[in-house]
Order: sequence, then C-alpha cells, then structure tokens
Amino acid sequence: GAGVSQSPSNKVTEKGKDVELRCDPISGHTALYWYRQSLGQGLEFLIYFQGNSAPDKSGLPSDRFSAERTGGSVSTLTIQRTQQEDSAVYLCASSLGIQTQYFGPGTRLLVL
Amino acid sequence: GDSVTQMEGPVTLSEEAFLTINCTYTATGYPSLFWYVQYPGEGLQLLLKATKADDKGSNKGFEATYRKETTSFHLEKGSVQVSDSAVYFCALSDSGGGADGLTFGKGTHLIIQP
Repeated sequence: GAGVSQSPSNKVTEKGKDVELRCDPISGHTALYWYRQSLGQGLEFLIYFQGNSAPDKSGLPSDRFSAERTGGSVSTLTIQRTQQEDSAVYLCASSLGIQTQYFGPGTRLLVL
Repeated sequence: GDSVTQMEGPVTLSEEAFLTINCTYTATGYPSLFWYVQYPGEGLQLLLKATKADDKGSNKGFEATYRKETTSFHLEKGSVQVSDSAVYFCALSDSGGGADGLTFGKGTHLIIQP
C-alpha cells in the first residue's frame, strides 16, 4: 500500500520567505509527526498530531514554525521568514495510535 | 529529559565481519526501543524494536536485546554484507511506541567494504 508521502521533495528559498511543507500520512493512521534532520542537531522531534489536535507544541524551534492538520489526514508545516539555520531535511511520520511510526522520504529545504 | 547515545562512526568493516553498534539510553519511564536504518538516498525505515525489558528484536539478521539493567539496546549482526551500508539510528519512545515523538541518537554511519 501507499506509504507516507511528502511534498515538495526539495525546496530552495531565499532568506525571509515563507515555505509550506506537506505530508500525506498512511491512510487510516491517526497520529502524525514532524521531525527535522540536520547535520548539527541530528534528528529532532518537532510536533505530533493525534487526529487534528497537537497536544504539545513546545518542540517547535521558534514561533516562526507552525503546523496544522485538517480532516485527520494531510498536515502542513509552515516556516515563516525563513532563516539559513532552517536548512534541513523535514521528515514526517505517521502511526496507527501508539504503534510504530512510519517515515516519509522527507523534504530537503535549503535557505539561501 | 530522555536521551540516546550511540557511537557515531563512521564504522568501517569488511564483508562477513561481526557488527556491534552500541546504544545506551536515559529515560524517565519504561520506554520502547527502536533501531531505524537509512539507506543511501532513502527514508528512515524501522529495522527492529523491543517494548519491554529482556525483549529481543530481530530482522534481516540484525538483533538487539532490551537490557534494563544496563539501559542498553546494542545492535548486532553476525555477518554483514555490502548492502548493509547505511546510517543506523537508535531511538526510544516513552509513550509505548508512538503517541509522542521519538528521541533519536545521532546515528552511526556503517560502511561495509567487499
């Protein structure tokens, strides 16, 4: 069956611009997660959704980052006023309840 | 807070060698433990997991045993192949395996030479 998909696969943007990253979880998966993978920080957990709600947003790096999930399915991670330190691979994962997380291929973001 | 420590490498071995990648953890509760693998150009894949003490996870010839007394979850394989070349991540979840973010180690880059 279809796995987790993310778009775009690559994004190059200029410092100060806003970007939106999209995640389509595995159909029927109730939980959805965002992570960031960078050379300096390794894999960092950002936020998770149970259904459409995110109980804890404290993992988001700054108030420039926001995420939403609608209809219990697709999620969007938005970064406003991008900075060079936002350059990283953004990974999305989904799971059925508290079961194993399955990861998408990631969006590689480069901020010039 | 929770943390995972693993050797970062790169670890270079010859084909058919024995592999051990060490992983130790710190957690407040009773976590579930995971090994994920990232092959070149691909996304993270679950390799194996263990959800309670003394459980052994295994897959594709890899094994890891959940050792609560030493807070460890070392990854082993008896005879590695070139195709095992990848980055391996040890991770934990304090919420039974998913209803919260995973805490990852820094990753171990494994290179297998023919």
